[in-house]
Amino acid sequence: GENVEQHPSTLSVQEGDSAVIKCTYSDSASNYFPWYKQELGKRPQLIIDIRSNVGEKKDQRIAVTLNKTAKHFSLHITETQPEDSAVYFCAARNTGTASKLTFGTGTRLQVTL
Amino acid sequence: ETGVTQTPRHLVMGMTNKKSLKCEQHLGHNAMYWYKQSAKKPLELMFVYNFKEQTENNSVPSRFSPECPNSSHLFLHLHTLQPEDSALYLCASATESQYEKLFFGSGTQLSVL
Repeated sequence: GENVEQHPSTLSVQEGDSAVIKCTYSDSASNYFPWYKQELGKRPQLIIDIRSNVGEKKDQRIAVTLNKTAKHFSLHITETQPEDSAVYFCAARNTGTASKLTFGTGTRLQVTL
Repeated sequence: ETGVTQTPRHLVMGMTNKKSLKCEQHLGHNAMYWYKQSAKKPLELMFVYNFKEQTENNSVPSRFSPECPNSSHLFLHLHTLQPEDSALYLCASATESQYEKLFFGSGTQLSVL
């Protein structure tokens, strides 16, 4: 089955700096890669997603890049703000009749003043 | 509020108790999911329902019994649980059962004593 690895597990950046979270996946047939943000004590929320036919997608201060050859994708947050502090989860969906969404273990991002 | 409501928010139960978790979505979605979130582990898929029919059972022990009476409601019946079942149980819904754009509820924090 699919295996998703996420790094780093914790990340601390100063306000205004950029943050990058990286994920690798094992199933080359995976075709959909969402990112979820979970603030402390709250529900996970989808913040951005990308499909395998696209290499990069941006939404204001967040962007996701996908390298299908290397089987890795990354979340980039620019000009970080304190409200970006949360746990971020990547995920990969494999294809086929038994498609599943496999999550990474999460990255705790702390944006310090 | 996201439109996905889970009750109760917190639950403490003994190993011999029987309890139920409830999830309700007001988004007009056709698919509903149960996930388990444990500390330092990836989100684990438990069950998927599509148009009230169970389409996925991710090898979940029989002490967890799901019920989906209609596309808006999802239950998770619990009996004779183990302490290792303590976790945050998240319900999610989506337009259909392909794991895209999941809307999560706030979860039920379950403690098994």
